[in-house]
Amino acid sequence: KNEVEQSPQNLTAQEGEFITINCSYSVGISALHWLQQHPGGGIVSLFMLSSGKKKHGRLIATINIQEKHSSLHITASHPRDSAVYICAGGGETSGSRLTFGEGTQLTVNP
Amino acid sequence: EPEVTQTPSHQVTQMGQEVILRCVPISNHLYFYWYRQILGQKVEFLVSFYNNEISEKSEIFDDQFSVERPDGSNFTLKIRSTKLEDSAMYFCASSKDRGTETQYFGPGTRLLVL
Repeated sequence: KNEVEQSPQNLTAQEGEFITINCSYSVGISALHWLQQHPGGGIVSLFMLSSGKKKHGRLIATINIQEKHSSLHITASHPRDSAVYICAGGGETSGSRLTFGEGTQLTVNP
Repeated sequence: EPEVTQTPSHQVTQMGQEVILRCVPISNHLYFYWYRQILGQKVEFLVSFYNNEISEKSEIFDDQFSVERPDGSNFTLKIRSTKLEDSAMYFCASSKDRGTETQYFGPGTRLLVL
């Protein structure tokens, strides 16, 4: 059964801090998705990774395939980054479904 | 920018009633999905749909649920006889390809079963 585990569950930071959210996943997952869920519930896809590293603005996502581990980093965090960040695994034996982690509630204080 | 749309945004229904949740996926996408999120819990996969048939479904997706693509644009989820535990946010998503491609999510339909 595919599984995805995230840490931490909750994270509070001061504006400007560097933030890291971690995700471990099981065998059978070949692509790791990072998603952002806003307070109203909407989900936005941030990255999809199967190897290496991706960067978009202040967001950086990395993946280590051998260790089955991915991280999402936010540089120079801002209160508008406050949201739930979710990692989800897909591909290979999971087929077309995504298996979601529990999410990390990030609060960035001014 | 193209986006996935869902209607209605909120639906309140009585237990035992049928509901149909509607989605319009992004036009050149080939894979369609339904997920649900019970309040306070993680998002769960329900079903994926490709080439006018179900390609995968979870154990949640029992005989009470069905999906359909009635025309070239809409993708619907029907719950035949709603239960209290069906109360959740239902998300539709679409992608160009299967699980290794980015999935684009709709804004969700919040379903409340009384």
